[in-house]
Formats: sequence, C-alpha cells, structure tokens
Amino acid sequence: GQNIDQPTEMTATEGAIVQINCTYQTSGFNGLFWYQQHAGEAPTFLSYNVLDGLEEKGRFSSFLSRSKGYSYLLLKELQMKDSASYLCAVRDSNYQLIWGAGTKLIIKP
Amino acid sequence: ETGVTQTPRHLVMGMTNKKSLKCEQHLGHNAMYWYKQSAKKPLELMFVYNFKEQTENNSVPSRFSPECPNSSHLFLHLHTLQPEDSALYLCASSQSDSGSYEQYFGPGTRLTVT
Repeated sequence: GQNIDQPTEMTATEGAIVQINCTYQTSGFNGLFWYQQHAGEAPTFLSYNVLDGLEEKGRFSSFLSRSKGYSYLLLKELQMKDSASYLCAVRDSNYQLIWGAGTKLIIKP
Repeated sequence: ETGVTQTPRHLVMGMTNKKSLKCEQHLGHNAMYWYKQSAKKPLELMFVYNFKEQTENNSVPSRFSPECPNSSHLFLHLHTLQPEDSALYLCASSQSDSGSYEQYFGPGTRLTVT
C-alpha cells in the first residue's frame, strides 16, 4: 500500500530552527508538496519538490531525496505564527496526491 | 470573492436529512476536488473533477453524491449520513489534476451528524 509518515507533533522555541521529516512509500513519484494548515483554516501551499535537493523560500526550505523516499521541511527563525500543522503529500504514478496525517508544530516563547 | 469559497461553514444535520455543500472557485482552474478531513488522519480524497468530468471516485459511499455543473462550481449532496461522517469537508481546485500544480483549498464545512 501507499504510505506517508510524519511525526505527529513537534515542539520548538521561538527564534530557533526546526526540521519536519516526511518519508514515503508510493507507487511511483511525480512530486512532493508541503502545505501549512492553521487550526480551523484551509491548508495553504508552501513548497513543491520534484528533483533531489534543497528548495529555499525565505525562512522555509524543503529538501528531497527520491532514492531514500525522504523529504524534510526546514523552518528558520521560528515565529509564534508558525504554530500550525504541516502536511506532506506525494503525487504517485497516477498523479493522485497521497497525504500524510500532518505534523502539529507547537512554538513556545 | 477571491480564491475558493465554501458554504455553509458549519452544518449540523440528522441522519435522515438531505443537505448540500457548495464550493466555488474564482481562480480559473480546471480541476476541483472534495476531501474529508478527520482529526489526526490524512486528508481523504473523495472526488476529482477535471473540466467538469469526474476522474476519480475513491470508493465513497453512495450517500455522498457530487455534482459539477461547470468548472467553477462543485456540490456535494448528502443524504442519510452516519455519525462517523462527521468531519471537515474541504474543497480544492488546481489548474489541472496532474502535473506540478498546487491545490488551493477552501475554508471547509464543519459537518456534524447527529
């Protein structure tokens, strides 16, 4: 079966750096997405990786290793507003998006 | 209105009721989706429409019935639901149902079945 694994919950301190990991086993691979979802709100797109390596977007970076079935989202200079759930999703060979259950990130002052 | 809108935002219905959820996208996209989101579970894809044609139906019970009259509007008709159907129902749209296109989500309808 197809599977996406992410930690359920992580805690970090304001101003610090946190890395949220995602491992996947899917039927084929056509890209990996990261979304942010604040409590009670819609998921919003953060990043997309289809080739190996690091994609940087301001305070957020996303890394992909296709050979290892692994990605991470790196958040720098954490702010209280970064408290949210972070969803990893992989597009399989049929272009269907397979979603992880999300990682709830708690930021403490 | 911009982005993806959904109505109603909250819905409480009995198991014998019939109701409909509405989604509208103002982004000029060609693909629209219905998802179910339950606590601590991955998003469950229910239906996909591309250019008004249904391209995906992930073994969803027949008590959920989608309708896509045009590329901008999507409905989910509900009847004789079960308490386990209580969840957040999210609508999304994207330029296409394939490729690298990200999905844009609406705020969701919080459904409670009593």
